[in-house]
Amino acid sequence: VQLQESGPGQVKPSETLSLTCGVSGDSIKRGYYWGWVRQPPEKGLEWIGSILHNGHTFYSPSLKNRVSISFDTPRNQFCLNLTSVTAADTATYFCVRSILNASSGYNFWGPGILVTVSS
Amino acid sequence: YELTQPPAVSVSPGQTATITCSGEHLLNFFVCWYQQKAGQSPVLVMFRDDERPSGIPQRFSASKSDRTANLTITGAQLSDEAVYYCQLWGLHADGLFGPGTTVSVL
Repeated sequence: VQLQESGPGQVKPSETLSLTCGVSGDSIKRGYYWGWVRQPPEKGLEWIGSILHNGHTFYSPSLKNRVSISFDTPRNQFCLNLTSVTAADTATYFCVRSILNASSGYNFWGPGILVTVSS
Repeated sequence: YELTQPPAVSVSPGQTATITCSGEHLLNFFVCWYQQKAGQSPVLVMFRDDERPSGIPQRFSASKSDRTANLTITGAQLSDEAVYYCQLWGLHADGLFGPGTTVSVL
């Protein structure tokens, strides 16, 4: 299984950050938790949210008013949208997949994409 | 909800390092652990409290009580130098990470 994040490396304040995770070697509809994790420069990991194969989503309480995760099934990829971004949203964004088709842990990680929020 | 980890742990090569992750009612959740080396994506080293993914060395083990989860490295190697994060999984709390512990092997 390989994951690859893509999207703009820079977003203006107040705009929407949109990223895509391309998945190869697996089907996003086969099961598992697919999700996003971010890491601000020189800081720790922050969970953003997960989407299950049936489309059910779980979001971080601190981001739930601004975040959405969805599938792009024909392209076997999933997407992250984060609205009304500020400098605090500057981070490396990782897409992930769980090791089991249940609450478990993220065993597959993309290489990450640095997104800078700046005008 | 909040998790606490010590900022740093030091261990001599070949000795045992224990990294703690503290919270409340941890028995209600699964705990997993990640290793992140500089400039790399994290690696899952333990999941569902005490299960080891394929390919993770047996020197990594984990345990949990109601208030503390522990990751133990028995016979630490220089290659184990990294930041280690705990993460909770469970109803309504999926995903919360601890702040991370930097492990130095020296």
